Amino acid sequence: DAGITQSPRYKITETGRQVTLMCHQTWSHSYMFWYRQDLGHGLRLIYYSAAADITDKGEVPDGYVVSRSKTENFPLTLESATRSQTSVYFCASSEISTGHKGGTEAFFGQGTRLTVV
Amino acid sequence: GENVEQHPSTLSVQEGDSAVIKCTYSDSASNYFPWYKQELGKRPQLIIDIRSNVGEKKDQRIAVTLNKTAKHFSLHITETQPEDSAVYFCAPPSGGYQKVTFGTGTKLQVIP
Repeated sequence: DAGITQSPRYKITETGRQVTLMCHQTWSHSYMFWYRQDLGHGLRLIYYSAAADITDKGEVPDGYVVSRSKTENFPLTLESATRSQTSVYFCASSEISTGHKGGTEAFFGQGTRLTVV
Repeated sequence: GENVEQHPSTLSVQEGDSAVIKCTYSDSASNYFPWYKQELGKRPQLIIDIRSNVGEKKDQRIAVTLNKTAKHFSLHITETQPEDSAVYFCAPPSGGYQKVTFGTGTKLQVIP
């Protein structure tokens, strides 16, 4: 299916475990982003990527790792999950980042609700 | 988001009234200014955007106005309906040309 998809949709994990959230897009968009959304905090940028093998930190990167070996995939790994990482995670992609002249729309995945117990 | 202010944080209006949400930013590197809508339990989706070569853009009941000199842009919703109830986010240029960061969001409630 065309678009951007996240998996899993829901995940419960224990404190200290490693967990990976997957994100896949079919448009070959250059830019991909990971956000977390907590009640009352809006969308906070965790990491972003401008192209394959190019990633950079956003506002709240601590405790997270990303990789982008292929343009279409941008997995997010929590190395050792903590309760404070309980959140809804959104992946997004765009052809051209908003910050660029000629920026374009960001498309979001359906989100992953992660609970750390 | 970095140096992005969005006001108000919550807004309640009677059905049929108008709503205005303002987004103030500090980085003037971009010419692209979008607004996103997020319904409860759903993903954010673009509803309208504007580029800096125009001052206003309209799409049926929604409009966006841009003031680059003052570094703010606003979302206007006229004749509000219950289905307009959602959280609205702006995503102006901020903190670097490769990032997409969002304002803190405005929860709009339209009272029937």
